[in-house]
This record gives sequence, C-alpha cells and structure tokens, in this order.
Amino acid sequence: GENVEQHPSTLSVQEGDSAVIKCTYSDSASNYFPWYKQELGKRPQLIIDIRSNVGEKKDQRIAVTLNKTAKHFSLHITETQPEDSAVYFCAARFSGGYNKLIFGAGTRLAVHP
Amino acid sequence: NAGVTQTPKFQVLKTGQSMTLQCAQDMNHNSMYWYRQDPGMGLRLIYYSASEGTTDKGEVPNGYNVSRLNKREFSLRLESAAPSQTSVYFCASSESGGGGYTFGSGTRLTVV
Repeated sequence: GENVEQHPSTLSVQEGDSAVIKCTYSDSASNYFPWYKQELGKRPQLIIDIRSNVGEKKDQRIAVTLNKTAKHFSLHITETQPEDSAVYFCAARFSGGYNKLIFGAGTRLAVHP
Repeated sequence: NAGVTQTPKFQVLKTGQSMTLQCAQDMNHNSMYWYRQDPGMGLRLIYYSASEGTTDKGEVPNGYNVSRLNKREFSLRLESAAPSQTSVYFCASSESGGGGYTFGSGTRLTVV
C-alpha cells in the first residue's frame, strides 16, 4: 500500500551542527517529494521540495537528496540554529491520486544553543 | 490574501453530536484536502477533492463526509462524533497539476 516511513522520530543537535532526516516510500511511481516544517501550534509550511527528475536541490542551509532506485529521500540542514527547532514532515505524491500526498510520521528536531 | 481559512479554530463536542468544519481558499486552486493530525502519526488524509464536483476517500475516511460546495469551499462533516475523532484537523489546497500544499491554521477538536 501507500506508505512513507520517516526516521528518526526525534533528533537533538547542538547549534551549528548538521541534521539529517530520512524517508522511504513504497510506490516506485512517486514523482514529487515535499518537506514541511511545523512549529508548535502552527500550520505545516512547505520548506523545500524535489521532483523525481532531480537528484538534489539546495536552498541556503537546507538541501534535499533523492535516490529513486532505493526509494528514499533525505533532508539536510546545515549550521543549525535554535529557530530550526520544529517538527519536520516528509511526503510523497503517489501515482493515481492526482496531487494526493502521503506524509511521514514526522521528526521532532531540537537545536540546543 | 488570506490563503486557506478554516473555522472554527477550537471545538468541544459530546459523543454522538454532529458538526461541520468549514474550509475556504482564495488562491483559485482546483484541489483541496482534509487531513487529521495525531501525536506520533503525522498527517493522515481523510478525503480530497481533485476538482470542483469530485471527492475521493483518503487513508482514514470512516466516520466523515465531505462536500465540495464550489471551487473555493470544501467542508468536512462528522455525523456522530466519537472520542477517537479527537484530533487537529487541517484543510489544504493546491494546484491540480501538482506542487506543495497551502495549509489552513487548523481546527482543534475534542470529543468527550
């Protein structure tokens, strides 16, 4: 079935360190992979996305990589700052369902000063 | 530009009561979605509407109904609320051709 697994569920880093969150998906036909950041009590907000014809995409301190063969994609945050503390969700668009996204369970990132 | 607007923001229901969650978007998006968010389970799709006049079940549709009233509005109805439906509900919209979602601010629903 349609499934997205996300690891780790919690991640604690020191300010300035890097953070990596990994996701795997079940449908080899998936072609769009967004990442969302959700601060406490707020709505999820899109921070970066990648399509299946691209292997890597960067936007300042964040980057996403995609390995279609292995069906996994990762979010990389460099030089972490306290304001990066939030819950991060990966998602995958599955074939046959228009723009229907299935989300991972989320990773709670804590950046300690 | 309001984006996606959800009402109400908070609601407490008694078991067996019914209610409708409202969602409206002003971005001229074709597609709209309802998700529920529970601790440790991420965002799970309840129903979606690819375009005006169409609706389809998502991962967890049982106990819910939806109406795509027009292009702007997509409502979620709980006919007989159960404690298991205690959750935060998010509405979202997107272009039909793909791309990321814009989420509403959420409705925190408690069923006692």
